Amino acid sequence: DAGVIQSPRHEVTEMGQEVTLRCKPISGHDYLFWYRQTMMRGLELLIYFNNNVPIDDSGMPEDRFSAKMPNASFSTLKIQPSEPRDSAVYFCASRSGGSYEQYFGPGTRLTVT
Amino acid sequence: GEDVEQSLFLSVREGDSSVINCTYTDSSSTYLYWYKQEPGAGLQLLTYIFSNMDMKQDQRLTVLLNKKDKHLSLRIADTQTGDSAIYFCAEKNTGRRALTFGSGTRLQVQP
Repeated sequence: DAGVIQSPRHEVTEMGQEVTLRCKPISGHDYLFWYRQTMMRGLELLIYFNNNVPIDDSGMPEDRFSAKMPNASFSTLKIQPSEPRDSAVYFCASRSGGSYEQYFGPGTRLTVT
Repeated sequence: GEDVEQSLFLSVREGDSSVINCTYTDSSSTYLYWYKQEPGAGLQLLTYIFSNMDMKQDQRLTVLLNKKDKHLSLRIADTQTGDSAIYFCAEKNTGRRALTFGSGTRLQVQP
């Protein structure tokens, strides 16, 4: 099992540019979560999906952030336009509905200059 | 709302036991977790405990839960330099699918 896969691992972009982060959950997992980690706020839940449907997006900071899950094996988190305060590590995690074990990907370190 | 608190830093000598503590406020928490994060890496699930349990042991790791005081601890026996990392406590209740995390405790193991 390859685990949760995220790409890119590092992203450096200029303010105002569009950024797309990608995630492939563990096969068979029907829950997918996007978290953001910063020094100031720690780990925050942004949004999660169940069976490809967004269930709770109350943690999405603002309209500049959007997330999609077009199928069971792929999700994107998009920031448009990006701002320096979006600089953080973004984690994707997944779990099976029949389990309480949530597994994290390696994260994408985003730097917006 | 839910809140999970941890101390920020713990330093121990190699071979000693480490005890990392966590408190939470949500009385309806049903599952409590410990994750380990090494520099530049994601979060690795170490162990979790159901709220109807007092203790869980897994090799060098022992989790103790005091549900009355809403206190969770992680004991690492015979701490090694490879145990140096940030340890996150997290909780979940049946009403939520996502986890609420503490701020993490940085464990430094001195040789």
